[in-house]
Amino acid sequence: SQQGEEDPQALSIQEGENATMNCSYKTSINNLQWYRQNSGRGLVHLILIRSNEREKHSGRLRVTLDTSKKSSSLLITASRAADTASYFCATDQAGTALIFGKGTTLSVSS
Amino acid sequence: GAVVSQHPSRVICKSGTSVKIECRSLDFQATTMFWYRQFPKQSLMLMATSNEGSKATYEQGVEKDKFLINHASLTLSTLTVTSAHPEDSSFYICSAGRGVGGPAKNIQYFGAGTRLSVL
Repeated sequence: SQQGEEDPQALSIQEGENATMNCSYKTSINNLQWYRQNSGRGLVHLILIRSNEREKHSGRLRVTLDTSKKSSSLLITASRAADTASYFCATDQAGTALIFGKGTTLSVSS
Repeated sequence: GAVVSQHPSRVICKSGTSVKIECRSLDFQATTMFWYRQFPKQSLMLMATSNEGSKATYEQGVEKDKFLINHASLTLSTLTVTSAHPEDSSFYICSAGRGVGGPAKNIQYFGAGTRLSVL
């Protein structure tokens, strides 16, 4: 089953621009995470935000969480060509298994 | 950082053969590992949760006799695709969590994935 839905499905921007991706989920969560996947590779954890947090920063990444709307956003500032990848939000269910959204494919052109 | 190694990265096999994929946590012990399947341009679908020393927990719709999971030690879980058919062709990814306290226990560390092609 899938918990999260990201939008947009695909995003193309120029280097230096900001990229914003959104994620919506359906059930209550303890925390929400964002992961990055380069083509044909495994996933890399980017950032985790707890359900009682509203915003979190890590380098050029900014994540917001609105539990009342069951949504989160990931902002990548001053994007670079190396940011080209697919980005997934993931929420926890009972236990430690993660349920992933459909992902946003980001293309950053130089 | 935590490292998870997955092997092989790519396998091509004939229909009817069995394929074993290994997932190792290299610098931490993982009592629980997860196996996902990913189709092109789609998300990861959880197949099963692998528990050290006990039977795996399979998600609804995943055939346990088709996808055999063994978690023989705290650092190794294997997925065997038995009697593989072309429809089993996919990208299989494993992950493991450190299991430490607090929200960090939910962070998953992923292997690089295995691309299976069944001819």
